[in-house]
Amino acid sequence: KAGVTQTPRYLIKTRGQQVTLSCSPISGHRSVSWYQQTPGQGLQFLFEYFSETQRNKGNFPGRFSGRQFSNSRSEMNVSTLELGDSALYLCASSLRGTEQFFGPGTRLTVL
Amino acid sequence: QKEVEQNSGPLSVPEGAIASLNCTYSDRGSQSFFWYRQYSGKSPELIMFIYSNGDKEDGRFTAQLNKASQYVSLLIRDSQPSDSATYLCAVNPPLYTSGTYKYIFGTGTRLKVLA
Repeated sequence: KAGVTQTPRYLIKTRGQQVTLSCSPISGHRSVSWYQQTPGQGLQFLFEYFSETQRNKGNFPGRFSGRQFSNSRSEMNVSTLELGDSALYLCASSLRGTEQFFGPGTRLTVL
Repeated sequence: QKEVEQNSGPLSVPEGAIASLNCTYSDRGSQSFFWYRQYSGKSPELIMFIYSNGDKEDGRFTAQLNKASQYVSLLIRDSQPSDSATYLCAVNPPLYTSGTYKYIFGTGTRLKVLA
């Protein structure tokens, strides 16, 4: 069974731009969660989607948004990028929302 | 007080020894607990989960949960240099206290197994 895939793997953007990251979960998994990982803050929860509905949301500004499609693929969008948004963005999929399996991540650098 | 706390390490153990990694959490009603291993430059990999008090063994790994004391630990027997990584503890707090959070991760403990 294929694992979680994320595209692109690396991104370089400038302040003020927007970015869209994509995640394809493990086949059959309906829950997709997004996390931001930075050296200083560790892994921080952004939001979780289940069957196309946002089920949980962390404490991030409204510039961070996401959605899930009917095939369970998910996208995350960050608008008006700031230097502090530079991080590894991880997507995790889960069958029921319990044990989560992470993708390889997208490393975003904001210049 | 952080919601999930781990000693950042590094924890250094000789090859073949038992590595003991600890994690404490603040929300007494937390339901489920996970250990992830993260190699440098890689994404976290789920290695153990535990829901009930007591021990759960899987190969060289044993997860221990004590809800009364609010800690969860991971023991790695016969440690190998390939076990050198950062180990992340994750806790699933109850919705009535967490509001929107579903998983809270500790900042991880760096383990170094010396050959």
